[in-house]
Amino acid sequence: DAKTTQPTSMDCAEGRAANLPCNHSTISGNEYVYWYRQIHSQGPQYIIHGLKNNETNEMASLIITEDRKSSTLILPHATLRDTAVYYCNTMGSGSGNTGKLIFGQGTTLQVKP
Amino acid sequence: GAGVSQSPSNKVTEKGKDVELRCDPISGHTALYWYRQSLGQGLEFLIYFQGNSAPDKSGLPSDRFSAERTGGSVSTLTIQRTQQEDSAVYLCASSWNSGSGREQYFGPGTRLTVT
Repeated sequence: DAKTTQPTSMDCAEGRAANLPCNHSTISGNEYVYWYRQIHSQGPQYIIHGLKNNETNEMASLIITEDRKSSTLILPHATLRDTAVYYCNTMGSGSGNTGKLIFGQGTTLQVKP
Repeated sequence: GAGVSQSPSNKVTEKGKDVELRCDPISGHTALYWYRQSLGQGLEFLIYFQGNSAPDKSGLPSDRFSAERTGGSVSTLTIQRTQQEDSAVYLCASSWNSGSGREQYFGPGTRLTVT
């Protein structure tokens, strides 16, 4: 899977949008972008994924650039409970892919009142 | 619907004892993963099941660790002759692991403490 890079940490004011960037410049054509988060002392939580179109679900929106070399996870109205480490991954869709997750350092998002 | 469940939630054992950790995946999910996370550390992959077979067990740290999955559902991770370095949170996740549907759903974990 392609390597991803993320900022180490970010702050966001409660109620504002949190925009978390991820670079995946070596992503290949069949690889999806996946986002997870891990709140302190809990297991990882799936957030959203996409291939090339922008995606939105009840948790977040995912914006993928046209060249697919980077993406942004958007939490539209951040709350204190969104304080967590956010991980960006890429994952191939081929049948030989085991799907095992390898997390980098992620971005520690601190939502402040 | 029901998510991934794991039992026990906490396990304290003496060094040298064997332990069994259980995972009940989301119904219908064909893929099941075991990971562990030591205090302040990242996620460490242990083993992957597709159905009842384990095509990737490359993350098992030693032959004291083994896992099985039966009926394409429940999985058990067994650690024999536990050591203090085995202390960690053991996480199970399940997924369809097919095409665009590779998102994994995690259980709450089993916190293992070896004294």
